[in-house]
Amino acid sequence: GAVVSQHPSRVICKSGTSVKIECRSLDFQATTMFWYRQFPKQSLMLMATSNEGSKATYEQGVEKDKFLINHASLTLSTLTVTSAHPEDSSFYICSARDYRWQGIDEAFFGQGTRLTVV
Amino acid sequence: GQNIDQPTEMTATEGAIVQINCTYQTSGFNGLFWYQQHAGEAPTFLSYNVLDGLEEKGRFSSFLSRSKGYSYLLLKELQMKDSASYLCAVMGDMDMGRRALTFGSGTRLQVQP
Repeated sequence: GAVVSQHPSRVICKSGTSVKIECRSLDFQATTMFWYRQFPKQSLMLMATSNEGSKATYEQGVEKDKFLINHASLTLSTLTVTSAHPEDSSFYICSARDYRWQGIDEAFFGQGTRLTVV
Repeated sequence: GQNIDQPTEMTATEGAIVQINCTYQTSGFNGLFWYQQHAGEAPTFLSYNVLDGLEEKGRFSSFLSRSKGYSYLLLKELQMKDSASYLCAVMGDMDMGRRALTFGSGTRLQVQP
């Protein structure tokens, strides 16, 4: 199946600094990627939809100035957590859909990034 | 709005069969997915239903009834490695035609010897 690579897998940063997370589709082009956040023992919550060549679409309650999304190419989307605070500590996961596949509109997930803000 | 409900926790015995239910109310429907997620890892795809009926794939089967807004995931011949969270997700119609997945809260399955 299609492969989505996410980097880094773990990051610890100081409060007030910024962290960039990369999501790459390795063997297909992804015009749309999705960013999710997952707190412990909770499900995935969609943060934003990343669109290549245009602005991201953010879900209600997600601060677009804090969570900067850049979809620079058809294979790369980045999420930057700016001025991180301890409450931003979470598991961030990206996903992309390979529209070449027919029949199953499956989303492939990256490995996830565990962010800890101290 | 989107609402997906599934039990929080379930316990079953190794070798047995377990059924995890999921009910949903969403804006539009473009398919229902089941994912398995081990602690600290990303979800992995298990099954996809877009038409009513049962889809079987090895030890895992998934059922869908669109008229009832209901699905279940059936796991047979349970193994210890099946202990994980199982996420029900629906692809609805969101604004601007985006077809993102909305996830349920997940069901934590504990398989006991």
